[in-house]
Amino acid sequence: QSVLTQPPSVSAAPGQKVTISCSGSSSNIGNKYVSWYQQLPGTAPKLLIYGNNKRPSGIPDRFSGSKSGTSAALGITGLQTGDEADYYCGTWDDSLTTAVFGGGTKLTVL
Amino acid sequence: QLQLQESGPGLVKPSETLSLTCIVSGGSISSTTYWWGWVRQPPGKGLEWIGCIFSSGRTYYSPSLKSRVTISVDTPENQFSLKVTSVTAADTAVYYCATYYGGYEYSDYWGQGVLVTVSS
Repeated sequence: QSVLTQPPSVSAAPGQKVTISCSGSSSNIGNKYVSWYQQLPGTAPKLLIYGNNKRPSGIPDRFSGSKSGTSAALGITGLQTGDEADYYCGTWDDSLTTAVFGGGTKLTVL
Repeated sequence: QLQLQESGPGLVKPSETLSLTCIVSGGSISSTTYWWGWVRQPPGKGLEWIGCIFSSGRTYYSPSLKSRVTISVDTPENQFSLKVTSVTAADTAVYYCATYYGGYEYSDYWGQGVLVTVSS
């Protein structure tokens, strides 16, 4: 059972937009920055978003992040088949004194 | 550009100790920018944070693994290590080493991962 809660799966058609949610609490998302990772099959996770809504160099602006209270969200516009992957949110938990991840969301581009 | 590379045995027997090393290149492990961490992923499952260490030696471990895990830094060799004692089949996973930017709470550099199987 993950500390951060994500939907197990989402799907949308190519070109459409999808939002992946990440729910936590005041000991993690509520008082910490949130990051998002993309994991393509058989590869290591790749940082997509940090500091709630900042994109590392090389990440297209089709990917965006937001945070409100104890929840965060990852938005992906202009979906491409290459976006099919597992997506994870992450942050630090002050009560557990450890980093934590969501359970992951599998994105299917129909 | 930092690069991280895990190394260690791919097969460990139940009840024994799993030992992995992460070699850091392109930067110094003595850097005060990053924490150095370990993450694992059981086959077909999600990411699980194991713990991290700062260059000073300060460590933070996941509560669920704290009693069995030790992370240490080898500054002269520019590498850090993970030990997990008394392993069982539940410890079978791909193990990743990664940087951790404390304060902003993200990992921007990851190793490629190494599959460790616990089996007799």
